[in-house]
Amino acid sequence: DTGVSQDPRHKITKRGQNVTFRCDPISEHNRLYWYRQTLGQGPEFLTYFQNEAQLEKSRLLSDRFSAERPKGSFSTLEIQRTEQGDSAMYLCASSLGTANEKLFFGSGTQLSVL
Amino acid sequence: AQSVSQHNHHVILSEAASLELGCNYSYGGTVNLFWYVQYPGQHLQLLLKYFSGDPLVKGIKGFEAEFIKSKFSFNLRKPSVQWSDTAEYFCAVNAPAGGSYIPTFGRGTSLIVHP
Repeated sequence: DTGVSQDPRHKITKRGQNVTFRCDPISEHNRLYWYRQTLGQGPEFLTYFQNEAQLEKSRLLSDRFSAERPKGSFSTLEIQRTEQGDSAMYLCASSLGTANEKLFFGSGTQLSVL
Repeated sequence: AQSVSQHNHHVILSEAASLELGCNYSYGGTVNLFWYVQYPGQHLQLLLKYFSGDPLVKGIKGFEAEFIKSKFSFNLRKPSVQWSDTAEYFCAVNAPAGGSYIPTFGRGTSLIVHP
C-alpha cells in the first residue's frame, strides 16, 4: 500500500454529467499531482499543487477541468459536462516536493463516459 | 518543454533472456531520471532513479539503468528476466519547466515474459 488513496476506483457516467474524484495523499507530502492515463500511453500531466497552491496546469487541460486542494491536504478533481474523450484513468500522486524525490501513486480512478 | 521517448512499446521475452529498454529525453540541462513499473493490477511504483553521482544506478529486483548524458539516454537493463517481470515500464524525467519541476513520462513499454 503506497499510502495514496483515491476514491472512487471506478466511475461510469453519462455524457454531459459532472464528476468529482478525490485523492488523499501521504500526510507529510506537500506536493500533489494529477495525471491522466489512457490505454497504451504513459501518465499525462494535468496539474499539481504545492500545499494548497495550484502552481501549474497543463495547457492541454480544458476549462471543464478544475482541481482544488483546500488546506493542503486532500484534493478533488472535477470534470464538468463530461465528454466521451474524458474516459481515462485519473491518477493522483504525491511527493515530498524536491526534484529528485519519487512520486507515490494511488491506484487511480477509472472513468467511463457513455 | 521536455519530452520522453521510449522506443520499444511491446517487448516479448523468454525467461532468462536479457532485457534493455530504451529511454531518451529532450531536456539539455540538469535532469532527474526515473524508471517506474506497473505490475498487472497494481499502482505505479519506483524501480530506480538517478539524480547525481555514478551514472550506473541499481534498483529493485536486479534492474539497473545507465545515464549517458551525451546521448540524453537512460536505458533500463536486466541481465536475466523472470516471468514476474511482466509489467508496464515507464521512463520519467523531472526537469525544470517554467520554474517548477514536473515529472514527464514516456508512453511506456509493455513487457511480457514467457515462462
